[in-house]
Amino acid sequence: KNQVEQSPQSLIILEGKNCTLQCNYTVSPFSNLRWYKQDTGRGPVSLTIMTFSENTKSNGRYTATLDADTKQSSLHITASQLSDSASYICVVSVNNQGGKLIFGQGTELSVKP
Amino acid sequence: DGGITQSPKYLFRKEGQNVTLSCEQNLNHDAMYWYRQDPGQGLRLIYYSQIVNDFQKGDIAEGYSVSREKKESFPLTVTSAQKNPTAFYLCASRQQGRDQPQHFGDGTRLSIL
Repeated sequence: KNQVEQSPQSLIILEGKNCTLQCNYTVSPFSNLRWYKQDTGRGPVSLTIMTFSENTKSNGRYTATLDADTKQSSLHITASQLSDSASYICVVSVNNQGGKLIFGQGTELSVKP
Repeated sequence: DGGITQSPKYLFRKEGQNVTLSCEQNLNHDAMYWYRQDPGQGLRLIYYSQIVNDFQKGDIAEGYSVSREKKESFPLTVTSAQKNPTAFYLCASRQQGRDQPQHFGDGTRLSIL
């Protein structure tokens, strides 16, 4: 069964600190993995995309990694800001199924001053 | 500005009533999707459409209906047969292509009166 599991479920950090969110997946055949940021009451917005051959990708203070062998991904946020408070969703695309996506349940990040 | 517009932002349904959620996009995307988001769960696919006048059921289509008469529009009707409709509903669109992201609207929150 295709599944995406994220940890932790929620996280509280102080402003300026770094944090790492985890994503494990059992999706086959794998096409790509994307991290989305969802602010409260808004739709998700894509942060990064990683294909099978990519190990790391950065977008400003966000750095995603992918280990295709262990089927794990992480999202590292450096020098956190209050505006980073949101839900971060790991999404894996299934190959050959017209863009079908498998969504993780999200990690709720709260950045405190 | 290109994007996806969902309306209304909040919607209340009475027992036995059908309600329709609007989704409009001006991104010229062929594919459109409807998802349901519940607390602590990943997004679940309700219906999707790859082209005008054609749509397919997703994982949780029971109690919902859609139409795709225009490329720009993909309304979702929540029928009285959907016994647990309270949720956050997200519409998305996507350009065809292997690694193209889904772009999301800002959602409609549906509640039962």
